[in-house]
Amino acid sequence: NAGVTQTPKFRVLKTGQSMTLLCAQDMNHEYMYWYRQDPGMGLRLIHYSVGEGTTAKGEVPDGYNVSRLKKQNFLLGLESAAPSQTSVYFCASRERLAGAFNEQFFGPGTRLTVL
Amino acid sequence: RKEVEQDPGPFNVPEGATVAFNCTYSNSASQSFFWYRQDCRKEPKLLMSVYSSGNEDGRFTAQLNRASQYISLLIRDSKLSDSATYLCVVNGGVGNFNKFYFGSGTKLNVKP
Repeated sequence: NAGVTQTPKFRVLKTGQSMTLLCAQDMNHEYMYWYRQDPGMGLRLIHYSVGEGTTAKGEVPDGYNVSRLKKQNFLLGLESAAPSQTSVYFCASRERLAGAFNEQFFGPGTRLTVL
Repeated sequence: RKEVEQDPGPFNVPEGATVAFNCTYSNSASQSFFWYRQDCRKEPKLLMSVYSSGNEDGRFTAQLNRASQYISLLIRDSKLSDSATYLCVVNGGVGNFNKFYFGSGTKLNVKP
């Protein structure tokens, strides 16, 4: 099993350009998450999904959109990239189990630079 | 106020030392608590969940103090390979159990 994969691994954009980050998981997990990590700030939740066809906002959703058309994929879109969106983006997935102690599995990250 | 706060460190300790990290959280309704480990430029990986009764996994012990809203991680007999950043993670309260909040991490350097 590949676990959680992210595409691309690196990307450089110019201000105003758009792009889509793809997250895929092969563990049949219900929940999926997009985070961004900036130096000294830890991971912050952008959007998340509790199942196919559903999405919800996290802490820092502005400037991003998401879609979960298939259970195994969670897409993060930047419609008009800004330098403030320069960050490392992590996707995670998690199984639906009773309680909330089950682990999040993370992808390797996408390093995005917006010039 | 941040949902989760940690001392960023770094904690510089010799091999074999015992080191402890604390983390405080702001939402008294949070129900699940974790420590994740993150190596430089890598993704976070679960170290251990933190249960109300406390739990131990080899050299690692985690404790939860609900009254004071803090979580601790104790590492005994530190190894060079323990050098990493340790992230405290807490879920949201009522209606937000599937949302998770990360601390900014505590960096540990274990020296020979």
